[in-house]
Amino acid sequence: AQSVTQPDIHITVSEGASLELRCNYSYGATPYLFWYVQSPGQGLQLLLKYFSGDTLVQGIKGFEAEFKRSQSSFNLRKPSVHWSDAAEYFCAVVDSGGGADGLTFGKGTHLIIQP
Amino acid sequence: ETGVTQSPTHLIKTRGQQVTLRCSSQSGHNTVSWYQQALGQGPQFIFQYYREEENGRGNFPPRFSGLQFPNYSSELNVNALELDDSALYLCASSLGNRDTGELFFGEGSRLTVL
Repeated sequence: AQSVTQPDIHITVSEGASLELRCNYSYGATPYLFWYVQSPGQGLQLLLKYFSGDTLVQGIKGFEAEFKRSQSSFNLRKPSVHWSDAAEYFCAVVDSGGGADGLTFGKGTHLIIQP
Repeated sequence: ETGVTQSPTHLIKTRGQQVTLRCSSQSGHNTVSWYQQALGQGPQFIFQYYREEENGRGNFPPRFSGLQFPNYSSELNVNALELDDSALYLCASSLGNRDTGELFFGEGSRLTVL
């Protein structure tokens, strides 16, 4: 069964500093990979996705992520965080072979921004 | 463009009762998925409906059931509520019957079971 690990439950970053959120997945084939953000009182919003091709993908709000097959990782990065980035971030995977098995999410990383 | 809307936003039930949660899809979307998000956890896939048929299901017991209507809105029904059913229930809509992960989520219905 596929699984997603987000090793960091909480991360605190100063405003303006760079950010990297880690995500590792366990899956037999290459899955589709995603990062979602959940702000208080709001639904999950898709930040970016990787299906194939260029392993560095750009998303909304200045985020990017890099797929590393050898490390089974899909880490999320941002060069300079803003206070509005404080939220819960979820990495997710889905079978690239089609079907309707739903997304498998990690447990999330809670991002705290220090002024 | 209308986003995904869910109702009610909050509700409290007691153990053994039944609950129905509702979801209106984003305009033009024909697929609805439901997820359960327990406190401090990531969302877990319950099931997916495409054109009024369930076409995918996660590891949830049969007392979790659903419907999708001709206008692609959807209901999640949970019978014989248990304390562990307390969670945020998220509805997501998308286009097409295959997983692409491009889901559009509502804000959720928070269920508390006492």
